[in-house]
Amino acid sequence: DAGVTQSPTHLIKTRGQHVTLRCSPISGHKSVSWYQQVLGQGPQFIFQYYEKEERGRGNFPDRFSARQFPNYSSELNVNALLLGDSALYLCASSLRLAGAYTQYFGPGTRLTVL
Amino acid sequence: AQSVTQPDIHITVSEGASLELRCNYSYGATPYLFWYVQSPGQGLQLLLKYFSGDTLVQGIKGFEAEFKRSQSSFNLRKPSVHWSDAAEYFCAVAPSGGYQKVTFGTGTKLQVIP
Repeated sequence: DAGVTQSPTHLIKTRGQHVTLRCSPISGHKSVSWYQQVLGQGPQFIFQYYEKEERGRGNFPDRFSARQFPNYSSELNVNALLLGDSALYLCASSLRLAGAYTQYFGPGTRLTVL
Repeated sequence: AQSVTQPDIHITVSEGASLELRCNYSYGATPYLFWYVQSPGQGLQLLLKYFSGDTLVQGIKGFEAEFKRSQSSFNLRKPSVHWSDAAEYFCAVAPSGGYQKVTFGTGTKLQVIP
């Protein structure tokens, strides 16, 4: 089975622009989470979606939003980009919302904001 | 709130030597614990996980970790390091109840010398 896939691989934007990142979970996984990894740091939790609803949110501004589609794929949207939004954005999927289920990560999307 | 501390930012070991990477966590109950590895420019690969039961957990690539509740630790070990183990290692904790907000440590970068 294919793992978690993300697109695009790399992206360059300028300050003030908007960006959309995409994620397809492992087949059968209903939960998708998004993380931001700034260079030199560990990933930081942004959102978790399950059954198309937001179930958890980290400490990120309202410029960050996401949604999950009926096929369980997900989009992360970031408005009014800042230089500090430059990071690796990781998507993870798991079978369920909570409990003893492992999150499996995709390769990430490298966003550079100029 | 849950948190993870990886006290060693950078570790250098000789190929064939043993390895121990330290991880301490803070959480009110017994958490779910993970070790992930990340090669440069790549996503996160799961090495091993602890949910419950036997406190000594075996993972992929010859890694193991031991959960010590009394010390709030989950240290990663390998008896003989290979050059291909050079990467960054992240310890992570997730709540055993509620949604899966995974909190990562800041990572330990492993360098392997001949």
